[in-house]
Amino acid sequence: SQQGEEDPQALSIQEGENATMNCSYKTSINNLQWYRQNSGRGLVHLILIRSNEREKHSGRLRVTLDTSKKSSSLLITASRAADTASYFCATPTTTSGTYKYIFGTGTRLKVLA
Amino acid sequence: DVKVTQSSRYLVKRTGEKVFLECVQDMDHENMFWYRQDPGLGLRLIYFSYDVKMKEKGDIPEGYSVSREKKERFSLILESASTNQTSMYLCASSLPLNRGSYNEQFFGPGTRLTVL
Repeated sequence: SQQGEEDPQALSIQEGENATMNCSYKTSINNLQWYRQNSGRGLVHLILIRSNEREKHSGRLRVTLDTSKKSSSLLITASRAADTASYFCATPTTTSGTYKYIFGTGTRLKVLA
Repeated sequence: DVKVTQSSRYLVKRTGEKVFLECVQDMDHENMFWYRQDPGLGLRLIYFSYDVKMKEKGDIPEGYSVSREKKERFSLILESASTNQTSMYLCASSLPLNRGSYNEQFFGPGTRLTVL
């Protein structure tokens, strides 16, 4: 199963509302990243939070990290139609001595105008 | 502006054909990655490379091979395409990944491959 799993799988909100999506992971991490993917396109890095940080802001984005619960949340405030996309968390893992990132299955966000 | 480009946005091939997917990055990144993305399964790592001529298997390497002869270019090869390889293929690059660095990955626009 995935190292990081997003919840909910899909979310539909009205423009101007806040959108919250969550990511749970299984093993200890030193950082967690969030990415956005517009329909049929590549992923774009949004924000990184380190394990010694509890909260981080970037514009309308707010990310929290709770290492005791092995979970992170991404909050998008005052959502816009342009925020319609899929959002993925990525967490590091080491397999056979190789350090790499594992992506979750994503949350599909639809913002209705 | 940093850029990762992929040779095709859409590709249609027949079962048994040899397929080449090309990826080029202009950021002088050491690491390059190939993922496939399928509904409900998210992104799965096929292969990655941390240096020229170096490669490592990802989580689902079966049926694929890769080539990295130059730092900027990373090719994914389907030796004999099969219908279960119909998918979206995403290339990415980054600075070195290790426990002490938290480098982001830069993605190309993706290639949607259909194998008939």
